[in-house]
Amino acid sequence: NAGVTQTPKFQVLKTGQSMTLQCAQDMNHEYMSWYRQDPGMGLRLIHYSVGAGITDQGEVPNGYNVSRSTTEDFPLRLLSAAPSQTSVYFCASRLTVWKDNEQFFGPGTRLTVL
Amino acid sequence: GQQVMQIPQYQHVQEGEDFTTYCNSSTTLSNIQWYKQRPGGHPVFLIQLVKSGEVKKQKRLTFQFGEAKKNSSLHITATQTTDVGTYFCGPPNNAGNMLTFGGGTRLMVKP
Repeated sequence: NAGVTQTPKFQVLKTGQSMTLQCAQDMNHEYMSWYRQDPGMGLRLIHYSVGAGITDQGEVPNGYNVSRSTTEDFPLRLLSAAPSQTSVYFCASRLTVWKDNEQFFGPGTRLTVL
Repeated sequence: GQQVMQIPQYQHVQEGEDFTTYCNSSTTLSNIQWYKQRPGGHPVFLIQLVKSGEVKKQKRLTFQFGEAKKNSSLHITATQTTDVGTYFCGPPNNAGNMLTFGGGTRLMVKP
C-alpha cells in the first residue's frame, strides 16, 4: 500500500490564482480530512469527509472547497489564493470515524502564496 | 469541535533530561491518541489510550490516561536528540466527526 499520497509537494502561487491539491489513499478508508499547519503552529482542520459523496466544514473552511466523488480521492481547491493561505497542507485518512482508529497522514504540500 | 489543550507549547531540554507534555480536556474523552511530527515531516501515530487510568510504555516513552479520562500525559525519560519534534494529542472522539488536535508541544533537545 502507498498509504496517503499528496501532490504536489511544493507549490508557489500568485495572489488570486486557483489550484487543486490532490490527495489519495489506497487503504479503503471512509474518513478523509485536510489540515493546515502554519509555522510553529498546530494542525487546524479545514474540511473532512466521512465517506464518498459527503463533505463537511472543519475549523477553518473559508477559501477552500472539497469534493469526495470516490472513496480514494479527496482534492482540496483553493478558489482565489491569498498570502494568508501560505501554509503546509496535510491530508489524512482513517478507516472510519465511528471506531477508535489511528489517522494516517500524507507527506504534506508546502504552499507559498505571493 | 471539542478542544483539547496541550501544555507546554515549547520545551527545551538538555539531552538526558526528562520531558513531559500534558493534554487536558474540559469534558470526558472516550479515548486519546498521541502523534509525533519530526521537523519537516508529517504526524505519525504513536499510541492510543482508551481505559481510565491506563498506562502504556514504549521504550523511554510513558503514556498515561487520567482516571477521569479528561487528561493525558506523555513522559520521555532521558531524552535523546532523536526525540526532537512536536507531539500532538487528539483527536477526541466525542467531537463527533470533527477530528481536531491539541496545539502540540514542540520539544527541542540540546546535545
